[in-house]
Amino acid sequence: QKEVEQDPGPLSVPEGAIVSLNCTYSNSAFQYFMWYRQYSRKGPELLMYTYSSGNKEDGRFTAQVDKSSKYISLFIRDSQPSDSATYLCAMILRPGTGANNLFFGTGTRLTVIP
Amino acid sequence: DGGITQSPKYLFRKEGQNVTLSCEQNLNHDAMYWYRQDPGQGLRLIYYSQIVNDFQKGDIAEGYSVSREKKESFPLTVTSAQKNPTAFYLCASTLQGNTGELFFGEGSRLTVL
Repeated sequence: QKEVEQDPGPLSVPEGAIVSLNCTYSNSAFQYFMWYRQYSRKGPELLMYTYSSGNKEDGRFTAQVDKSSKYISLFIRDSQPSDSATYLCAMILRPGTGANNLFFGTGTRLTVIP
Repeated sequence: DGGITQSPKYLFRKEGQNVTLSCEQNLNHDAMYWYRQDPGQGLRLIYYSQIVNDFQKGDIAEGYSVSREKKESFPLTVTSAQKNPTAFYLCASTLQGNTGELFFGEGSRLTVL
């Protein structure tokens, strides 16, 4: 079983839709949770990170963590064609020890259709 | 502007040849990383370095080598011993002791002919 599971999609939605992207994990020791966005043929960029269970909002993006269910989500409101990208979830076991303890999901490819 | 520069962006190699991918950062970050990205497999860690003149193997180090002679530079050599080298390679850096916020370069696409 992989440490982090993510539905690879692809996912296609019409412009303006609400998008829900999800990851599950098996190790309850994960403490920090991140979402990266990767445009085609580019490197990933950090979109959001959270520590505790609950919601964190940044503009049209909301990151949600449910540690009891080992489940994290990224919601995109009023989706735009510019949101078309691959979204990777990531999580780290012990903050402060460097990214060698960072685990990535496989990524979900999202296309927002104008 | 601060960032990470990878070169070349695209590279073709014949079987049996070694090739070196360049990674330079001007973010003054201590730690640097090399990942490999294949479709459906996410990012896999090849090597990482948390300080100059020191580096550690990641999950898939076989067939690769690195050096860290300068803080700013972390080149990756893909050797002929790597059985399936065609992939997208990503270099990243982070502050030491960071919570995992990686800054990535734009990647290098290696194709073995």
